[in-house]
Amino acid sequence: QVQLVESGGGVVQPGGSLRLSCAASGFTFSRFGMHWVRQAPGKGLEWVALVWYDGSHKHNADSVKGRFTISRDNFQNTLYLQMNSLRVEDTAVYYCAKDLTNTWHALDYWGQGTLVTVSS
Amino acid sequence: QSVLTQPPSVSAAPGQKVTISCSGSNSNIGNNYVSWYQKLPGTAPKLLIYDNNKRPSGIPDRFSGSKSGTSATLGITGLQTGDEADYYCGTWDSSLSAWVFGGGTKLTVL
Repeated sequence: QVQLVESGGGVVQPGGSLRLSCAASGFTFSRFGMHWVRQAPGKGLEWVALVWYDGSHKHNADSVKGRFTISRDNFQNTLYLQMNSLRVEDTAVYYCAKDLTNTWHALDYWGQGTLVTVSS
Repeated sequence: QSVLTQPPSVSAAPGQKVTISCSGSNSNIGNNYVSWYQKLPGTAPKLLIYDNNKRPSGIPDRFSGSKSGTSATLGITGLQTGDEADYYCGTWDSSLSAWVFGGGTKLTVL
């Protein structure tokens, strides 16, 4: 069965950096686009970034452009989110999610999330 | 302010039917597939509907989806207390080159 397991969350000061990982199993990782989505406390879902199946193309939300970088290692079946210049408003549970296809139809499997807290 | 507009809340009695709307524009709903997600507190979002009206394996047929023009609708029949959750619509926005979610709708089963 499909499994997505996030790790790397924690407490970091404003301006700091953190790298999240998402270990994938149960499907052919290299065939599907992948996303990061976050949910701040008391707020709705916010899409963060996506990467194509082969890593050749990436898209980011405006709120994280220039600060967050999505990447993937298709040999290690792992998705990453490098987060730099973190702000208090980046505090959220971060989920990785698998795309149903490679043409952005839906996010069909989600991990359980990892909490990132940005605070001084 | 979300690109997709959903009502903040809806409510209905157990056994009844409820609909949740999702309004967008030609750059998103009008020209791309809509999906719907159920989010319970402390759990991962769950895909309920994809490609406007298709249900993944394991999703009961009490859940349905439709799309017309730049709007989409999620329908839930035979409401159960376990359906109390936040529901989100989502789609690709071709102008933004970004995935977008609605602001979410809290369903209360009275």
